[in-house]
Parts: sequence; C-alpha cells; structure tokens
Amino acid sequence: GAGVSQSPSNKVTEKGKDVELRCDPISGHTALYWYRQRLGQGLEFLIYFQGNSAPDKSGLPSDRFSAERTGESVSTLTIQRTQQEDSAVYLCASSLTQNSNYGYTFGSGTRLTVV
Amino acid sequence: KNEVEQSPQNLTAQEGEFITINCSYSVGISALHWLQQHPGGGIVSLFMLSSGKKKHGRLIATINIQEKHSSLHITASHPRDSAVYICAVPSGYGNKLVFGAGTILRVKS
Repeated sequence: GAGVSQSPSNKVTEKGKDVELRCDPISGHTALYWYRQRLGQGLEFLIYFQGNSAPDKSGLPSDRFSAERTGESVSTLTIQRTQQEDSAVYLCASSLTQNSNYGYTFGSGTRLTVV
Repeated sequence: KNEVEQSPQNLTAQEGEFITINCSYSVGISALHWLQQHPGGGIVSLFMLSSGKKKHGRLIATINIQEKHSSLHITASHPRDSAVYICAVPSGYGNKLVFGAGTILRVKS
C-alpha cells in the first residue's frame, strides 16, 4: 500500500479481555516497529522486527504483550487480559531497512481504551 | 538524563511569528528525525537529517553534530501548525527510535 495502515483506528475494550491490533507496513519495508504513547506521555518502544531475524522484544512491558510478523508483511500486536494502564495510542512504523539513514513511515495509530 | 531533551515543553505563538524548537541528544547518531503529531495521534515524519540544514516550505531543520543539537524553525506560523513536534534519534540494535517528550505548539490567530 501507499502508507502504513493500522486497524482498528479506535478500540474500546473491557478490562480483562484480549485485543489484537494490526499493522500493514509499506510493501518492501523490511523493518517494522511498534511504539506506544500513553496519555500525556512520550512515545516508547515496544518491539522491532527486521526481515526473518528474531524480533527485539526488549520494550514489551509485560508477558501479556506479544507480537508476530510473518516474513515482511502484516504484524499483529496482541494484549492479553487488558488492564486500564494499557490504554494508549499504539503506533506502528516501517522502514526500508534497519539502516537509520532511511526514513520511517508511521501509521495513524490505534487508540486503545480499556474500561 | 534522557537521551533526547526538547525545549520548550509548551509554546504559544501569535500567527505570523517565527518559531524555534530545540533538541539536544546525548548519543552518537547517524540521523535525527523531526516528527509532527496532530491531536488525533497520527505521526508525520517532517525531516530526517544528518548534517547541515533542510527546508520544506515554511519549515527549516538544522543540526550540529559536534554539539549534538538540532533546531526546528517555523517561519510565518499559522494556526494549522498547531501540533506536537517531536525530536527522535535512532539508538541501539535495530535503530529503534528514542523520542523526546515533545513540544506542544499552539499558534493563535
């Protein structure tokens, strides 16, 4: 696609339920990143995928969070047993490679509200 | 100390004013990014620069690698420039971005 597509754009869920967020990167972009922004706070790194290499999961805040990516295509971020502190905007970005001299393209984000 | 520091945190300007937002970073980098975030949450990449200066319309970004400092300037500011401006640098394995806290800009007409 022309840009990074994220779905859903908004999600309201009850505490304790599982949610799945989707990111469709730009075709051909091998690097994919998930970031989170909680209300009033800065962006924080969650997880990074580069091609078929093992992902960098160092930013995932708890074992309730997991993410998958098949090859160089769609990625899904799953949050199990959601808590209110999981409420945030979840942003996905992709880049041609992990070389930072290439730019990043961000999706519009998924606004998650846990009630 | 955060790897990326931005100033000011908040900025209110009158339409037409020249605006400067500053970013200092503590790590060695190959490129620095300026991002714009509108109230809906989506982020747009404004600039990626590794040296000197870049200009796009009324926006100008400069960087001094030796001093580890970058500035984003907006000339002839307009209310539609109101947004959060974020400085980010790649860090560590995979060059994942480390973000500044952002500068909330409000331009009044």
